Amino acid sequence: DIQMTQSPSSLSASVGDRVIITCRASQSINNYLNWYQQKPGKVPKLLIYSVSSLKSGVPSRFSGSGSGTDFTLTISSLQPEDFATYYCQQTYRTMTFGQGTRLEIK
Amino acid sequence: QVQLVESGGGLVKPGGSLRLSCIGSGIDFSDDYMTWIRQAPGKGLEYISYISSASTNINYAESVKGRFTISRDNAENSLYLQMNSLRGEDTAVYYCARMVHDNCWFVDLWGQGTLVTVSS
Repeated sequence: DIQMTQSPSSLSASVGDRVIITCRASQSINNYLNWYQQKPGKVPKLLIYSVSSLKSGVPSRFSGSGSGTDFTLTISSLQPEDFATYYCQQTYRTMTFGQGTRLEIK
Repeated sequence: QVQLVESGGGLVKPGGSLRLSCIGSGIDFSDDYMTWIRQAPGKGLEYISYISSASTNINYAESVKGRFTISRDNAENSLYLQMNSLRGEDTAVYYCARMVHDNCWFVDLWGQGTLVTVSS
């Protein structure tokens, strides 16, 4: 199985900050890397698919990059509604999620 | 309205069985790959199983292989998860979700989830 490791596991930041979350795969996963946002009590929401493609309707302050085994999710200027947990997901070999990164208000 | 609606969750004793259902509406259900994903209380997302549109490809996570069975009825726009030999660690919210391929596979539509609690 392909393991996905996110860092950090939690992060405190302020509105307006630039935030970077990283995700590392245990082997190369080509471009089969997606990012989801989940707020407490809510269903996960797709933000980015195939490393860097922004889902329609997702604000442009979200962006993704990377290749091979190392990927990043960047939020360019944090907004109050961005405080949530973020998950990376590989679908190169079935499906695996990272453990999540909890983004909290500083 | 485009949605997935799960049902069938509840409280079950260890070793017991439960069958989850998911009905899709507003989507071309018979063309879609579907998956079950779960989330234990306070924990992250865990892939359980997927099934191809015509049920020709099926896959399970190691944690449920041999105990859970995924199936679908395209005529009824329905997805199922038969769960046997349930354990405490199976306690979770179970999400039915649709998989889509556009350069890579991803989940673009989730149900609201149904809670399964395994406890004596």
